[in-house]
Amino acid sequence: NFMLTQPHSVSESPGKTVTISCTRAGGSIASNYVQWYQQRPGSAPTTVIYEDNQRPSGVPDRFSGSIDSSSNSASLTISGLKTEDEADYYCQSYDSTNQGIFGGGTKLTVL
Amino acid sequence: EVQLVESGGGLVQPGRSLRLSCEASGFTFDDYAMHWVRQAPGKGLEWVSGISWNSGSTVYADSVKGRFTISRDNAKNSLYLQMNSLRTEDTAFYYCAKDKAASGTYWFDPWGQGTLVTVSS
Repeated sequence: NFMLTQPHSVSESPGKTVTISCTRAGGSIASNYVQWYQQRPGSAPTTVIYEDNQRPSGVPDRFSGSIDSSSNSASLTISGLKTEDEADYYCQSYDSTNQGIFGGGTKLTVL
Repeated sequence: EVQLVESGGGLVQPGRSLRLSCEASGFTFDDYAMHWVRQAPGKGLEWVSGISWNSGSTVYADSVKGRFTISRDNAKNSLYLQMNSLRTEDTAFYYCAKDKAASGTYWFDPWGQGTLVTVSS
């Protein structure tokens, strides 16, 4: 197994851009696709990015994903922040034994 | 519209068993792998188990291996999680989630609304 490490929390002002990192410890970040999920309080998670950088239909293009092999990390970038983006965000991948792996989650505050 | 509806949660004593169900609609159930993911109250997400479209492959998190059993009934469009020897640390909301493909790509989408399992004496 490997671990995915995210910052516990980030905050930024409306209209600005924020980036949430997800660093893989053990193995290459490029080995397996990374997904990003948004979870608002009291609701189930929904996908904002899949397969590293793909955006599901209905997700605004303010959301983008990338991977960086030099830092062995994935990133979720949200531009033009809106108060409705305030939520918990989780990165997710899977390991060589086909076990799912989640990052610890990042609480995004838009203030 | 894809819908996943979990049921079967509740309060159970440590060491006892519980069976969760997830009823699927709005898609061809036997074309997709399925998963269970849990979330302890106020905590992060933890993948629990996955099953391929034809039940030929099942995988478990180390934390539940040997205690939990995932299964599916494609004729009933239903996914199950049999949980035995429950521990207090199994207390969580349990979500079922659809995979993108038949054998499992580990993109969980969508998710059900979750069912709460509380393990306490």
